[in-house]
Amino acid sequence: DAGVIQSPRHEVTEMGQEVTLRCKPISGHNSLFWYRQTMMRGLELLIYFNNNVPIDDSGMPEDRFSAKMPNASFSTLKIQPSEPRDSAVYFCASSYDRVRFFGPGTRLTVL
Amino acid sequence: DQQVKQNSPSLSVQEGRISILNCDYTNSMFDYFLWYKKYPAEGPTFLISISSIKDKNEDGRFTVFLNKSAKHLSLHIVPSQPGDSAVYFCAASGGRTGANNLFFGTGTRLTVIP
Repeated sequence: DAGVIQSPRHEVTEMGQEVTLRCKPISGHNSLFWYRQTMMRGLELLIYFNNNVPIDDSGMPEDRFSAKMPNASFSTLKIQPSEPRDSAVYFCASSYDRVRFFGPGTRLTVL
Repeated sequence: DQQVKQNSPSLSVQEGRISILNCDYTNSMFDYFLWYKKYPAEGPTFLISISSIKDKNEDGRFTVFLNKSAKHLSLHIVPSQPGDSAVYFCAASGGRTGANNLFFGTGTRLTVIP
């Protein structure tokens, strides 16, 4: 298996623009997680899905953030409009038990 | 409030010697603990885990020890190799927070000197 796949790997955008991050989980995994890593807060959970259904989105910082999982093999995290403080590395992870497997991350820079 | 703490931000060890990375947690309900390794520009990679019913789990050069009474776990790497140089995160889950809520420490940067 190729592992968790994320795209793009790097994204540079201007403040106010819409940003969409994509994730393909490992086949057979039934849970998917979106994390954000910053120097100040470390790794923080934004939202997770179980069997494509959002279970806990309490970590989503604001209404500007939204996530979807239309099927078992694809998820998106959207930021609209983006702000400079959203600059971070965003990780997607998937699991079928208590071990989480992470993708390589998307480094987002909002100018 | 940080429920999982790694108080040493960095550690340097000579190649061939033992590396010991430490982690403390505050929630006595946690019942599953994991260690992840992270290289720059990559996602965290799962290394080893331990359930609270055990006090030791070993996988090759990596051993995790759990001391429930002290709410402390440690990762031992023996012998340390230059390729082990990375940031190591411990994580914990369980109890009322649920199995899906995984709490991470802030990481310890290990440098293995050749």
